[in-house]
Amino acid sequence: SQTIHQWPATLVQPVGSPLSLECTVEGTSNPNLYWYRQAAGRGLQLLFYSVGIGQISSEVPQNLSASRPQDRQFILSSKKLLLSDSGFYLCAWSVGAGGSTDTQYFGPGTRLTVL
Amino acid sequence: AQSVAQPEDQVNVAEGNPLTVKCTYSVSGNPYLFWYVQYPNRGLQFLLKYITGDNLVKGSYGFEAEFNKSQTSFHLKKPSALVSDSALYFCAVRDMNSGNTPLVFGKGTRLSVIA
Repeated sequence: SQTIHQWPATLVQPVGSPLSLECTVEGTSNPNLYWYRQAAGRGLQLLFYSVGIGQISSEVPQNLSASRPQDRQFILSSKKLLLSDSGFYLCAWSVGAGGSTDTQYFGPGTRLTVL
Repeated sequence: AQSVAQPEDQVNVAEGNPLTVKCTYSVSGNPYLFWYVQYPNRGLQFLLKYITGDNLVKGSYGFEAEFNKSQTSFHLKKPSALVSDSALYFCAVRDMNSGNTPLVFGKGTRLSVIA
């Protein structure tokens, strides 16, 4: 079966510091990977998605970047955090090269607080 | 363009009563529709999806959803609510012609089941 991991689970960082959040998927190959941010326990904002190594689509211009150095690893980064970067960050995966019926499966999330 | 509307920010139900969480969608082609549930500080859990066939879809934890093409709706239902059903619920859509693109999510509806 497939499993998705995110770490760290929680993170408190000062403004201006760098950020690296990691997401890995087990039990599947060439998945589609996604990063979402959820503010104040409400709606989801799609940040990035990737259909393969080195292939990143950015949905929203912002202070963040994403990379996919390995098939099942997706990293969210920032060089200098802003207060507005605080939120709950969710990684998700779906079957790669699948169709429009495919389900997205979510990781446990990372709670980021920028002070 | 694809979109989903969840018209209620909050739904309150007494334990044992039936519950309904509303969702309407807009796509240019035929829709594939999904429901997810999120408990506090957790990732989203997949509940059910409508692809084709029977308009009534049964999912996890006793939930079901009814697809209504004429009303462009996909309301989530449960015959008898439990206190443990209290959570944030998300509806999502993907147009069948859009391939394996990211799901489009609604803003979420907070369900509170009162004992």
